[in-house]
Amino acid sequence: GAVVSQHPSWVICKSGTSVKIECRSLDFQATTMFWYRQFPKQSLMLMATSNEGSKATYEQGVEKDKFLINHASLTLSTLTVTSAHPEDSSFYICSASPWGAASNQPQHFGDGTRLSIL
Amino acid sequence: DAKTTQPPSMDCAEGRAANLPCNHSTISGNEYVYWYRQIHSQGPQYIIHGLKNNETNEMASLIITEDRKSSTLILPHATLRDTAVYYCIVSPTDSWGKLQFGAGTQVVVTP
Repeated sequence: GAVVSQHPSWVICKSGTSVKIECRSLDFQATTMFWYRQFPKQSLMLMATSNEGSKATYEQGVEKDKFLINHASLTLSTLTVTSAHPEDSSFYICSASPWGAASNQPQHFGDGTRLSIL
Repeated sequence: DAKTTQPPSMDCAEGRAANLPCNHSTISGNEYVYWYRQIHSQGPQYIIHGLKNNETNEMASLIITEDRKSSTLILPHATLRDTAVYYCIVSPTDSWGKLQFGAGTQVVVTP
């Protein structure tokens, strides 16, 4: 149980285009999901918290107009990289948990989306 | 900065136990210790977590010192598929789910 799926797993786009990445919780509902970014040879960095039915909250230094997050249902959050440029090339990963904040149960991660901007 | 300290790398022989240390000297009383691992080009995989008691599951064992300032993840019989970066993470009490990843330990299991 607690499977998180991301799509696509790999995308290559031209500079200036927008790219949408989906994060789905397959066998549970998640009111909150999290988006991370990982550059080569670096660790994961939290970008934003996706909240179902409300605005996402972004970590310091992450441009909310650049990285649009939509959490329109209890099983789907989307991250759109707008007007992507080569410096946005990275590994994007989402996480979710079927348990609430009080449970201290772990997050489960998707397999990530590798974004390459030419 | 991450609230944990781990050695950057470790080698382990296949079939032997791998003991991965983690220091978290500033851990608060109600903060849990989580272990994840990341195999190359994949998302992190949850391994185990604990508060103060030792924990065991089908993947690993977690030993937490009595003062909770450090812990050890034990992979009882390492296989080549256990080669990965292992992350020890202390959960933030005021921001559930927001995991702060450090550099982790690169574990290489050799035949």
